[in-house]
Amino acid sequence: NAGVTQTPKFQVLKTGQSMTLQCAQDMNHNSMYWYRQDPGMGLRLIYYSASEGTTDKGEVPNGYNVSRLNKREFSLRLESAAPSQTSVYFCASSDRLGAFFGQGTRLTVV
Amino acid sequence: DAKTTQPNSMESNEEEPVHLPCNHSTISGTDYIHWYRQLPSQGPEYVIHGLTSNVNNRMASLAIAEDRKSSTLILHRATLRDAAVYYCILHWGNNAGNMLTFGGGTRLMVKP
Repeated sequence: NAGVTQTPKFQVLKTGQSMTLQCAQDMNHNSMYWYRQDPGMGLRLIYYSASEGTTDKGEVPNGYNVSRLNKREFSLRLESAAPSQTSVYFCASSDRLGAFFGQGTRLTVV
Repeated sequence: DAKTTQPNSMESNEEEPVHLPCNHSTISGTDYIHWYRQLPSQGPEYVIHGLTSNVNNRMASLAIAEDRKSSTLILHRATLRDAAVYYCILHWGNNAGNMLTFGGGTRLMVKP
């Protein structure tokens, strides 16, 4: 089972560039999430999608947009990257039995 | 979302039991108590969850207070590989899912 798959694993962007982080899950979960984790810190929720067709802001949504493309896929877009968005990004999906996380995308904005 | 409170860090000796506490005094009747852990340079992984009764699985045990306002994750014999940040989270308070927010967690250090 693949679980939650994130692409890419690493990315370096220049300030002002845009990119989309991709996430797909094969567990038929309704809920999906995007988090960022800065060095030595906990996970902060950026956006979540409780079900296909819905998205809601989390704790730190500024500078990001999301799309719940279908039940499997939930993408995160940075329209104009800033150095403050340098972080590790995790995607997750969940049901009542628990949440499952991808391996993360390490993003550096220079 | 209901909040949880955990100690910032704990230490344990290898091969000894570890009890990681979590307070969740504002828990609602339908909130599940979930525990996750994050090993260095990895994404969080599910450890265990429960609603009212104590739970056991191959990784750990979860003891839930009778009033559900606190819980304890029990690692029966800590190993060096158990050194991680452990998060206690309240999840699925409603059928539509909820925000699944993480607090600071407890950093467990295991001494050989």
